[in-house]
Amino acid sequence: SQQGEEDPQALSIQEGENATMNCSYKTSINNLQWYRQNSGRGLVHLILIRSNEREKHSGRLRVTLDTSKKSSSLLITASRAADTASYFCATVRYGNNRLAFGKGNQVVVIP
Amino acid sequence: DGGITQSPKYLFRKEGQNVTLSCEQNLNHDAMYWYRQDPGQGLRLIYYSQIVNDFQKGDIAEGYSVSREKKESFPLTVTSAQKNPTAFYLCATRTPLTENTEAFFGQGTRLTVV
Repeated sequence: SQQGEEDPQALSIQEGENATMNCSYKTSINNLQWYRQNSGRGLVHLILIRSNEREKHSGRLRVTLDTSKKSSSLLITASRAADTASYFCATVRYGNNRLAFGKGNQVVVIP
Repeated sequence: DGGITQSPKYLFRKEGQNVTLSCEQNLNHDAMYWYRQDPGQGLRLIYYSQIVNDFQKGDIAEGYSVSREKKESFPLTVTSAQKNPTAFYLCATRTPLTENTEAFFGQGTRLTVV
């Protein structure tokens, strides 16, 4: 079964607005990670949140994790045109190193 | 120049042929992964390996094979048994000294069946 499923959204926002995307998963996890992918390229890691953490910040990124609801959200504040990309969440399960990805959210930031 | 090298960037395969995609890393990472990406379907795990000479099937291993003879290399063979191989293939590595580590990705290989 696939872990990490984002709401399959395509988000289109104006530069300067905030972008929020969500991810849900099914089983116990060790951590949850968010990645970014520009079209036709490899993924780049953005932020990792451990299962015992509830919120984490990195620059303009804010990630929350609710293990009781098995869900996470990624907030990008003050978006820029360069933030246009697809964003994926991924989970690492307890006990192994299997890294499972969701379907991704496409974000378009209009200058 | 450290990192992960996937080659070739573009690959064309005739129906019925096997092809091998290369993934080489000089990050000294233990774990390596192969994913397939189709439009609108995100990344699906094909195979992963945590140590040399060992690997596990992912969610869509049928029609694919791998080997891990060296820590640096994790080639993926797309066999003729894979009925719909046209996709974007991504290789990734992680060092699971703890489990709270991120993955690093190559730039991908786009495979097209002609």
